Formats: sequence, structure tokens, C-alpha cells
Amino acid sequence: DAKTTQPTSMDCAEGRAANLPCNHSTISGNEYVYWYRQIHSQGPQYIIHGLKNNETNEMASLIITEDRKSSTLILPHATLRDTAVYYCIVRASNTNAGKSTFGDGTTLTVKP
Amino acid sequence: DGGITQSPKYLFRKEGQNVTLSCEQNLNHDAMYWYRQDPGQGLRLIYYSQIVNDFQKGDIAEGYSVSREKKESFPLTVTSAQKNPTAFYLCASLRQGGNQPQHFGDGTRLSIL
Repeated sequence: DAKTTQPTSMDCAEGRAANLPCNHSTISGNEYVYWYRQIHSQGPQYIIHGLKNNETNEMASLIITEDRKSSTLILPHATLRDTAVYYCIVRASNTNAGKSTFGDGTTLTVKP
Repeated sequence: DGGITQSPKYLFRKEGQNVTLSCEQNLNHDAMYWYRQDPGQGLRLIYYSQIVNDFQKGDIAEGYSVSREKKESFPLTVTSAQKNPTAFYLCASLRQGGNQPQHFGDGTRLSIL
């Protein structure tokens, strides 16, 4: 599975949009991009995933570039409860998820 | 509600003792996973199982053992051979096939007395 690169940390003002980038330049055509977040001392929570089209759900939007080498997770109106570590991973469908790598992620701090 | 239950939430072990962490899921998922997380770091795969009575080593299996006798259960034993067992342990499951995401439990924090 492709490796991802994320910034170590980001800050965002409460009420503003948080845009979290992820690079996955070696992504294969059948690999999906998944986003999770982890609040301190809890298990990772699934947020959203996509293949090549932009996706939106009640939590966030996922924008994938046309060449699929990078993506951005957008939290449209960040709240203090969105402070967490955000992980971007890539994985092909019908493959063993254990081969996906959860790196160190991006620590997002939402400030009042 | 369907989900993954890890117990206990906190666990203490004396040096030289084996300890078993429980993971149960009622999602009818085929695959289950154990990860270790150290402070400020990402998740590292210990063991995984894609089917009952079968499991494979992950990246850091030394000092750990697992069993998968039932689809819904995947216990992890931290043996005395694991020299640095203090960590946060996470269990996950996945419906095989398709592109569904993994589901995670809330973890067990293991500490050495």
C-alpha cells in the first residue's frame, strides 16, 4: 500500500474551516484514501473515504486531486471538540487492512 | 449497538507476568487486528486474523501471542518476553471485501508495576 505524508501539526480558529493536507504520490489506481481521527486515549474514529471523486458526509469533505497524488480533509466549521490527531491512509479494496500504515498523523488544535 | 469492546480499559502487570487483553466484536466482521501505540506515535500492527483459526504476524509480533477460536473474539496475550509492554493497545475489525473502513475499539492502556 502507498505511504502517506502529513504535516505534524496545524492550528485552526474555532468556527473556521480546517483544511488538512495529505500527500500520497505513489497511490495506485485501486487504492482508496481513508481519513480517521483519534481523540486522546480513545480509538481512531472513521471520518470519510474516497477513490477519486470528492466526497462529503455529515462530518467532513474530502477533496482528492485529479492526479490522486494528494488529498485534503475539510472540517467546514471547526469546534474545540475537533482537536485530535488526524490520520490519512491509503488502501486498496479487497486487501488486508493490516498492511495500511497509520503514521504519526496531523495534530489539529482548534483554538477559541 | 454494533461495535468493538476492549477490556479492561486500564491494566497493570507485574514484571515477568503474562497478561491477556480482550477484544470482542458483534459486527460479524471476518478480519480483526491488534495495534500498539506509544505516546505521540502512530499505530503499529502486532497481529491480524482474516479468518477463524488463522492469524499472521504484523510488524512487531515478538513478545505477543493471539488466538482466534471464534469469529467475534481475538484476545491478545502480552508475554513476559515483551521487554517494554507499557503502551496503549487497540483492536480493530473489518468487513472483508469492498472498501469499508476499519472499526476500532477504545483501547486498553497497559502499565508495568
